[in-house]
Amino acid sequence: EIVLTQSPGTLSLSPGERATLSCRTSQSVRNNNLAWYQQKPGQAPRLLIYGASSRATGIPDRFSGSGSGTDFTLTISRLEPEDFAVYCCQQYGSSSITFGQGTRLEIK
Amino acid sequence: EVQLVQSGGVVVQPGGSLRLSCAASGFTFRDHAMHWVRQAPGKSLEWVSVVTWDGFTTYSADSVRGRFTISRDNRKNSLYLQMNSLRAEDTALYYCAKDALGSSNWYYFDYWGQGTLVTVSS
Repeated sequence: EIVLTQSPGTLSLSPGERATLSCRTSQSVRNNNLAWYQQKPGQAPRLLIYGASSRATGIPDRFSGSGSGTDFTLTISRLEPEDFAVYCCQQYGSSSITFGQGTRLEIK
Repeated sequence: EVQLVQSGGVVVQPGGSLRLSCAASGFTFRDHAMHWVRQAPGKSLEWVSVVTWDGFTTYSADSVRGRFTISRDNRKNSLYLQMNSLRAEDTALYYCAKDALGSSNWYYFDYWGQGTLVTVSS
């Protein structure tokens, strides 16, 4: 199975700052089939990005995804208070879907 | 409005069995593959299983293969997960999730249920 490794584990930033989250995969992801989710405490995950760089419906344009092959990035250009949450990447390039372990974005 | 409404949480003994259900509305259920994804306490997400639109093809994670069976009833717009030979490590919040794109293939998840807490403990 494809293993996804996210870094950093925790990112401490202030509102208005730029956040850069990394997701690296153990094998190249077919067709860059990688998605990003946001999860807040007590809530189900929310789809942010699919196909490595396409924003899901209703997602603000401060969220962007990039990357290909084994190296992917989620960028939040200017952090809003509601953006502090856990972010998780997911690959769907193979039959066995796998997730990363998550990055916690906390207020500094 | 898309809704995925799951059955309530439960405590089950190790070695026991349980069936989870998920009732879908607000979209054409039979047009989409459906998934189960779980999250152990304090842990990240783990994909469990998928069923294609017609129920004929299923695929599961190694950790549950042979113990868990996913199924669906398109007449009732419902998804199920039959869980047998439960272990302590199966304790988690189980989410049903709608595949965003696929009917006969599977991709990513655009809608999620509220989750069902399954606790395996004696």
